[in-house]
Amino acid sequence: DSGVTQTPKHLITATGQRVTLRCSPRSGDLSVYWYQQSLDQGLQFLIQYYNGEERAKGNILERFSAQQFPDLHSELNLSSLELGDSALYFCASSVGRGASTDTQYFGPGTRLTVL
Amino acid sequence: AQTVTQSQPEMSVQEAETVTLSCTYDTSESDYYLFWYKQPPSRQMILVIRQEAYKQQNATENRFSVNFQKAAKSFSLKISDSQLGDAAMYFCAYRRAGADGLTFGKGTHLIIQP
Repeated sequence: DSGVTQTPKHLITATGQRVTLRCSPRSGDLSVYWYQQSLDQGLQFLIQYYNGEERAKGNILERFSAQQFPDLHSELNLSSLELGDSALYFCASSVGRGASTDTQYFGPGTRLTVL
Repeated sequence: AQTVTQSQPEMSVQEAETVTLSCTYDTSESDYYLFWYKQPPSRQMILVIRQEAYKQQNATENRFSVNFQKAAKSFSLKISDSQLGDAAMYFCAYRRAGADGLTFGKGTHLIIQP
């Protein structure tokens, strides 16, 4: 158990809908990262938040957005869903100061299926 | 942009033998970190080993060790005394210095033959 929690574990929805994925980081970690794992694209970094502020952006679509709240949990919002958005979405957390020991620990993931 | 390449989609090894997984990367940065993550059938991403680019000494964690060749931009993972529990997808990952997202390779599926 990495200490990172993600809810829900599974999500099934229809095209055009909007969903919210939730992540709680490890105790003491200030950074949260979101990743998407799909058969087509592999594992891709989407976005990072550090202590409530957006810190780095990866290959995140404009239909996707995220935020980190004062209690440091984070939510990833996916809207206007398409079949191709079906994937495993991981949240990871780290202390966030960028040091060599700043290892990212991954949550169990949320499996999103868009029908 | 940095890229990570794992040229072996699948590898197979006999239990108790040694196997080496390959990884190459491309970056213009001088300060960065490299990682190997393991993803078993449960899909959990588990850190196996980490290497700082400024360290010449290769990292070792029990049966897992790396061969880091900075000039060649190569970062291979050696698993000694392979065990059935080592069966998983293995991903090589890169991160530049400073807290940032990881760039992953496509992964190598490791099969352990009993």
